[in-house]
Amino acid sequence: EDQVTQSPEALRLQEGESSSLNCSYTVSGLRGLFWYRQDPGKGPEFLFTLYSAGEEKEKERLKATLTKKESFLHITAPKPEDSATYLCAVLGSSNTGKLIFGQGTTLQVKP
Amino acid sequence: ETGVTQTPRHLVMGMTNKKSLKCEQHLGHNAMYWYKQSAKKPLELMFVYNFKEQTENNSVPSRFSPECPNSSHLFLHLHTLQPEDSALYLCASSQGGRGQGVTNEKLFFGSGTQLSVL
Repeated sequence: EDQVTQSPEALRLQEGESSSLNCSYTVSGLRGLFWYRQDPGKGPEFLFTLYSAGEEKEKERLKATLTKKESFLHITAPKPEDSATYLCAVLGSSNTGKLIFGQGTTLQVKP
Repeated sequence: ETGVTQTPRHLVMGMTNKKSLKCEQHLGHNAMYWYKQSAKKPLELMFVYNFKEQTENNSVPSRFSPECPNSSHLFLHLHTLQPEDSALYLCASSQGGRGQGVTNEKLFFGSGTQLSVL
């Protein structure tokens, strides 16, 4: 059964304090791993798609990496506006169109 | 603004009421989705429509009834709900693919309807 586990559940950082969020997954035939950002009162917003181990993608202070078992979302020198819940999801070969989401990591960045 | 609009934003209903949630997308997409987001739980897929045809029903109780009259509009009809159905209901859309089902392109979500069942 495809499964996604995110850690930590919550993370508090000081502005400028870099850190990483983890997404561990079990999937039969990875077709894609997705990162989304969700602000309170809003729907998730797409950030990245990673397709194969070794792949990396960057957007401003965020960098996503992928191995065969997990993905990391690295946040470099975060700002308060980076505060949000970050969701990881996988798409496997046995679940066409059905993303399996993790529970998310809620990040709070204090000024 | 994501291009996906959901109404109403908030809804309170009794267990005997009938109500409908509406979703409209202005992105020219062909696939639309309903997701349920409960506190402390992962996003849960409910239904998928691709080119107006339902391609996924994730064992959702019959008190939830989806309707997709065209590729731009999606409804979720609610009747005789239970208190445990209280959650954030999210609509999403994606490009879609005719003949191959829904592929792994990115989803665009609306802001959701926060539903409370009393």
